[in-house]
Amino acid sequence: ETGVTQTPRHLVMGMTNKKSLKCEQHLGHNAMYWYKQSAKKPLELMFVYNFKEQTENNSVPSRFSPECPNSSHLFLHLHTLQPEDSALYLCASSQESRTRGDNEQFFGPGTRLTVL
Amino acid sequence: DAKTTQPNSMESNEEEPVHLPCNHSTISGTDYIHWYRQLPSQGPEYVIHGLTSNVNNRMASLAIAEDRKSSTLILHRATLRDAAVYYCILRGPNSNSGYALNFGKGTSLLVTP
Repeated sequence: ETGVTQTPRHLVMGMTNKKSLKCEQHLGHNAMYWYKQSAKKPLELMFVYNFKEQTENNSVPSRFSPECPNSSHLFLHLHTLQPEDSALYLCASSQESRTRGDNEQFFGPGTRLTVL
Repeated sequence: DAKTTQPNSMESNEEEPVHLPCNHSTISGTDYIHWYRQLPSQGPEYVIHGLTSNVNNRMASLAIAEDRKSSTLILHRATLRDAAVYYCILRGPNSNSGYALNFGKGTSLLVTP
């Protein structure tokens, strides 16, 4: 247990569906992240929230919409996805300061998404 | 961002030490060297990190070259549970990717009994 939970663990959806992925961290951290891991590819950063504000959007298509209502919760809203969006979606959190890069990130187990 | 170079794969026998190398010749003075690993069907997990001095923790040791252009992750006694992809990542306050981790392809470690 890393202190970061993700639900659901597995999700199958059609291209016209709307679904949401949820991430919750129980570590009191101030930064949260969404990463995407496609088959046989490195993890790709999607979004970063620092102090509840989105600080990075790594050129992610608008069919992915993040939401961070508070420092403990992070959502990824999905709509009209494509089959190539099938991947493992990972959430992470960390306690960040603005001047140092020595803080570790804690990852959740991921949501395995399949788009039909 | 400064890049890292790792071998695609390595193999080790169980209960033997493993040295996983990483080159980072363009590292800046404020970049920390982080190592994460990802076991099959799991999210990545933190292993160790350092700046200039060698570091030890319960999982591994990190040996950093004097010029900081390379580092080595040392698993003192590999077990079958150490079979994973190991990522060497540079992270600094002035990174273009902000606070995020820039994962490359990593080194896939195979441990054989």
